[in-house]
Amino acid sequence: QVQLVQSGAEVKKPGASVKVSCKASGYTFTSYGISWVRQAPGQGLEWMGWISAYNGNTNYAQKLQGRVTMTTDTSTSTAYMELRSLRSDDTAVYYCARSREGMDVWGQGTTVTVSS
Amino acid sequence: QSVLTQPPSVSAAPGQKVTISCSGSSSNIGNNYVSWYQQLPGTAPKLLIYDNNKRPSGIPDRFSGSKSGTSATLGITGLQTGDEADYYCGTWDSSLSARVFGGGTKLTVL
Repeated sequence: QVQLVQSGAEVKKPGASVKVSCKASGYTFTSYGISWVRQAPGQGLEWMGWISAYNGNTNYAQKLQGRVTMTTDTSTSTAYMELRSLRSDDTAVYYCARSREGMDVWGQGTTVTVSS
Repeated sequence: QSVLTQPPSVSAAPGQKVTISCSGSSSNIGNNYVSWYQQLPGTAPKLLIYDNNKRPSGIPDRFSGSKSGTSATLGITGLQTGDEADYYCGTWDSSLSARVFGGGTKLTVL
């Protein structure tokens, strides 16, 4: 079945970096894009950006420009999202989602906690 | 402050119908497709509607979507207690060159 499996929870100190992985299975990885969406505790959904698994083209949310990098490894059907210079307000659940007509398959989420 | 405006909460009795609105502008809803997502407590969002009114396979026809001008609406008929969740609309914003979401609507089935 089609699924996205994300890496486990992370606890980071302010100023550090985090890299979350998202392994796809059950479909042709390069036929879809991957979006990253985060959700702070008790808050709504925030789009972080998108990467084409076909050619690696990216589109990042303006507020994260310069701090976020999205990549893919087509040999392992895995997408990655790295966020640098972490702040306390980056504490959130981070989701990857397969994207074409809507975000139709979601990962289980990765909790990233930023705390000193 | 979200680019798309949704009511914070709606409620209805089991078996009834409810609608959730999503208001935007010409740079987003007015000229782009709208999607709707359901998020049950403690779980990842789930796609309910894409391209304004299309349902992915496996989504019951109790869920419907529509769009008119710069607003979109999600309809749910035959409400069940299992429909209690947060619902989000989303679309592309051409001015921001970004995907945007509404603030979410909490559905309570009384």
